[in-house]
Amino acid sequence: QSVLTQPPSVSGAPGQRVTISCTGSSSNIGANYDVHWYQQLPGTAPKLLIYGHSSRPSGVPDRFSGSKSGTSASLAITGLQAEDEADYYCQSYDSSLDVWVFGGGTRLTVL
Amino acid sequence: QLQLRESGSGLVKPSETLSLTCAVSGGSISSGGYSWSWIRQPPGKGLEWIGYIYQSGTTFYNPSLKSRVTISVDTSKNQFSLKVSSVTAADTAVYYCARRVGSRCDIWGQGTMVTVSS
Repeated sequence: QSVLTQPPSVSGAPGQRVTISCTGSSSNIGANYDVHWYQQLPGTAPKLLIYGHSSRPSGVPDRFSGSKSGTSASLAITGLQAEDEADYYCQSYDSSLDVWVFGGGTRLTVL
Repeated sequence: QLQLRESGSGLVKPSETLSLTCAVSGGSISSGGYSWSWIRQPPGKGLEWIGYIYQSGTTFYNPSLKSRVTISVDTSKNQFSLKVSSVTAADTAVYYCARRVGSRCDIWGQGTMVTVSS
């Protein structure tokens, strides 16, 4: 059980908007540690998608955006495309455990 | 373009030591501002951070694995390594190496599958 909780799955039709939540606590997201998001396409290594809550690395489409509020963070994907079907993970630091932690992951299905 | 590639034993017997190496190409492992990480992913499960090392040799480990894990760096070969001792079936996973900048991993290797089995 990760200290960062994500929904196991979300789905949406092409062109729609979906959000993935990452719920933490006062010892991680709530303590203002950076939240990062990774996309893992089937059979491949994770890829950095969002860093520092809301910044995008070069080459990541602006359809992907991140936000943070209180002890939670969210990843939003607009204009959903079939190629977005993947697993998504949030990551932060937990001061109580003294460890970098990943969320349990969310599988996005494009209907 | 910086690239990372894992290599090492794909099959390890229980109680033995898992050894992996991550070769860095297209850039120097001694470049300032970065650390070098290991992350693993058991089959069908999520990601688990193992630890990371700076070029200086300073290391940080996941407390849950600290007693069994050693990460080292060889700047002359532009590579860093992972050893996990006393392995069990629970250590079966895809092992990834990655470059860490700040608190994020921005470049990942392709991963290598390690199976613990007799």
